[in-house]
Amino acid sequence: DIQMTQSPSTLSASVGDRVTITCRASQSISSWLAWYQQKPGKAPKLLIYAASSLESEVPSRFSGSGSGTEFTLTITSLQPDDFATYYCQQYNTYLTFGQGTKVEIK
Amino acid sequence: EVQLEESGGGLVKPGGSLRLSCAASGFTFSNVWVSWVRQAPGKGLEWVGRIKTKTDGETTDYAAPVKGRFSISRDDSKNTLYLQMNSLKTEDTAVYYCTTHRGIVNLLDFWGQGTLVTVSS
Repeated sequence: DIQMTQSPSTLSASVGDRVTITCRASQSISSWLAWYQQKPGKAPKLLIYAASSLESEVPSRFSGSGSGTEFTLTITSLQPDDFATYYCQQYNTYLTFGQGTKVEIK
Repeated sequence: EVQLEESGGGLVKPGGSLRLSCAASGFTFSNVWVSWVRQAPGKGLEWVGRIKTKTDGETTDYAAPVKGRFSISRDDSKNTLYLQMNSLKTEDTAVYYCTTHRGIVNLLDFWGQGTLVTVSS
């Protein structure tokens, strides 16, 4: 099974900050990686797919990069609506999610 | 507009059974792979299993923790996905989401709002 490890688990930041979340795969997954945003009590929302492709209607302050085993999600200029939990997910072989990164207000 | 609406959640005793349903609308359900994903209270997301389209053989795959206990099926005439859960354990307590796949890859694009299953004596 492919394991996904995100870091950090929690991130404290302020509005306007640049935020970076890292996701590592236990083996190469090429670019078969997605990022989701989840707010409390809500379903996850797809943000990024194929490691760096922005989903329709997702603000351009979100970006993804990486390939193989190391990936990052970057939010430039954090907005109040961005405080949430973020998950990476590999879809190279079945599906596996990272454990999540909670972005909280500093 | 794509809509997925789960139902059937509730309280069940360990060892019991429950069947969840997911009613789909706003797209051609029969053309889409669908998965169940769960989230235990305060925890992360866990893929449960997937069913492909009839064209792709309606093949099912399951995560190890539920294999042999859970079964996914679909009724394309009713635009409905099912999750039959047997031999339930306390660790199956979670919100269960149905999700659609984009194309024939395991990328999940649309999600329902989820239904809570609580396994407790």
